[in-house]
Amino acid sequence: QSALTQPASVSGSPGQSITISCTGTSSDVGAYKFVSWYQRLPGKAPKLIIFDVNNRPSGVSARFFGYKSGNTASLTISGLRAEDEADYYCASYTNIDTFVFGGGTKVTVL
Amino acid sequence: QVHLVESGGGAVQPGRSLRLSCASSGFTFSHHALHWVRLAPGKRLDWVAVISHDGNIENYADSVRGRFTISRDNSKNTMSLQINSLRPEDTGIYYCARDESEYRSSRWDYWGQGTLVTLSS
Repeated sequence: QSALTQPASVSGSPGQSITISCTGTSSDVGAYKFVSWYQRLPGKAPKLIIFDVNNRPSGVSARFFGYKSGNTASLTISGLRAEDEADYYCASYTNIDTFVFGGGTKVTVL
Repeated sequence: QVHLVESGGGAVQPGRSLRLSCASSGFTFSHHALHWVRLAPGKRLDWVAVISHDGNIENYADSVRGRFTISRDNSKNTMSLQINSLRPEDTGIYYCARDESEYRSSRWDYWGQGTLVTLSS
């Protein structure tokens, strides 16, 4: 199972909005609602920020928004803050009952 | 409060074996599936394996199938990962993650702090 495709890096100024894409195939992202996003701060474990394409766990800021179109899922962070600087990963369930991650995107706040 | 604590990592020679453990507390262990996820040295995240809430269903990434075995003991609130025939690509930080469901979902809501596996010469 090939990794999902994410841009290596995305940057934005404080207050701006950025979007991270996550491209898979009709065997994973395109086929299931089991798409999630994780934020990983340096030296920390990944933290769930979006599950089932567009749902936020309690306590996660409404500035994080997930959606999907076809084989591509996306995460938008609005009102960018310095604390959002981290690595972000998408993950998807696959048609062979496994999971696959994206390669990760480093978000830099300018 | 939910806690997951991994242990068992270390420096191991290629081809040797290692057993990782994940101890949990603060929730009804037998109600949740559990995953192992690896953070590789280049910061890539790899899904490794999943085990259902009752231990009856397991599944593995192709890269580890046949070499890794996931198991759990619901009487002790622990999960394990047996790693055999260690390869260079197995190195990284291994995290256990709780699945909100009994088998699989996209909601892996609690993670441990990880245990590091490296290769020694």
